[in-house]
Amino acid sequence: DTAVSQTPKYLVTQMGNDKSIKCEQNLGHDTMYWYKQDSKKFLKIMFSYNNKELIINETVPNRFSPKSPDKAHLNLHINSLELGDSAVYFCASSPQVSWEQYFGPGTRLTVT
Amino acid sequence: SQQGEEDPQALSIQEGENATMNCSYKTSINNLQWYRQNSGRGLVHLILIRSNEREKHSGRLRVTLDTSKKSSSLLITASRAADTASYFCATDDSSYKLIFGSGTRLLVRP
Repeated sequence: DTAVSQTPKYLVTQMGNDKSIKCEQNLGHDTMYWYKQDSKKFLKIMFSYNNKELIINETVPNRFSPKSPDKAHLNLHINSLELGDSAVYFCASSPQVSWEQYFGPGTRLTVT
Repeated sequence: SQQGEEDPQALSIQEGENATMNCSYKTSINNLQWYRQNSGRGLVHLILIRSNEREKHSGRLRVTLDTSKKSSSLLITASRAADTASYFCATDDSSYKLIFGSGTRLLVRP
């Protein structure tokens, strides 16, 4: 059984489009995260939700909007995609904040 | 900003040898975690060490933490080809988020 799943795994789209990435965890965790990993493998936190409440909102353009319909899901919607948005986006979850995190397989976004 | 820096950036060893990776960080922490990332995959949690702990073991992994020097090390003993991956340290500084280092790329040659 997949603990943290993301869809799609690959996403190729043109500049200016709007796209969404979905994340689901079946671990019963309270906290979920979105990370961006760039081409140099730097991993940076974007957002975090704890019990559906936004607790971390890093300096991310307003074009990125997370949505948590329930504790098991955290989706990421991106408007007006730009070339610089190309990266691998990882979803993760943890039992509580500051505990070990469980990562999804990643979504490789390529903006052309 | 990146909190942690791993050293070395890349490490190549022979199967059976030990691999040591170091992590330095800048601010006070609650805990420090090590993760492994295989190529094209998500990160996998390896071990968490709290700020009041100095050493922790898990199988072939040994982690040390020196809060006075703001540094940690990860030792993998008797390495295997399957240990080939990138290894990241991540620090929790009570701001609800983990700050990841730049990673060490480990290559274990068969």
